[in-house]
Amino acid sequence: GAVVSQHPSWVICKSGTSVKIECRSLDFQATTMFWYRQFPKQSLMLMATSNEGSKATYEQGVEKDKFLINHASLTLSTLTVTSAHPEDSSFYICSARDRGQGMYEQYFGPGTRLTVT
Amino acid sequence: RKEVEQDPGPFNVPEGATVAFNCTYSNSASQSFFWYRQDCRKEPKLLMSVYSSGNEDGRFTAQLNRASQYISLLIRDSKLSDSATYLCVAWSYKLIFGSGTRLLVRP
Repeated sequence: GAVVSQHPSWVICKSGTSVKIECRSLDFQATTMFWYRQFPKQSLMLMATSNEGSKATYEQGVEKDKFLINHASLTLSTLTVTSAHPEDSSFYICSARDRGQGMYEQYFGPGTRLTVT
Repeated sequence: RKEVEQDPGPFNVPEGATVAFNCTYSNSASQSFFWYRQDCRKEPKLLMSVYSSGNEDGRFTAQLNRASQYISLLIRDSKLSDSATYLCVAWSYKLIFGSGTRLLVRP
């Protein structure tokens, strides 16, 4: 089956620093990748959608200058949390859709737990 | 108001019990519906799609009522391994997740 990996699986950083999270589709070409954020006991919230080779589309309320998304290839998307603050501590999950899949079919990565101290 | 609402639980049931979860959605234009399962500190995994005609996958039965914008999931003969959070999800050009219902199955 389709596999999506994320790296790192967890990261602790100091307030004010930047953190990059990678999302890779291992055995398929991901024309579209999605980035979600989940706070404890809350639902997954879509942050942005990225299509390979084009700018990401951010959901309302998500700061595009703070959460930089790059989808430079069909197998890799990165999310950079710039100038991280403690309130950015969360579980970040990416998902990917294969070229031939239905609109709602997505494979999820295992998530990255970010803690900002 | 949340687009997808679920009772957070937890539902604490003994092994072998039957348990039902409900979910409501607010966007009548939502096109597709799903139940996902999420284990603690893990990514969500698709459990099953939900159709108006109802569908069954082993011990799991899902049902959609478009008129009342209501979705259900029934789990029969609960196993310890069913303990997880069950996420109700609607598709309306993007996946909209409920905050989940937590199930604890005890021996």
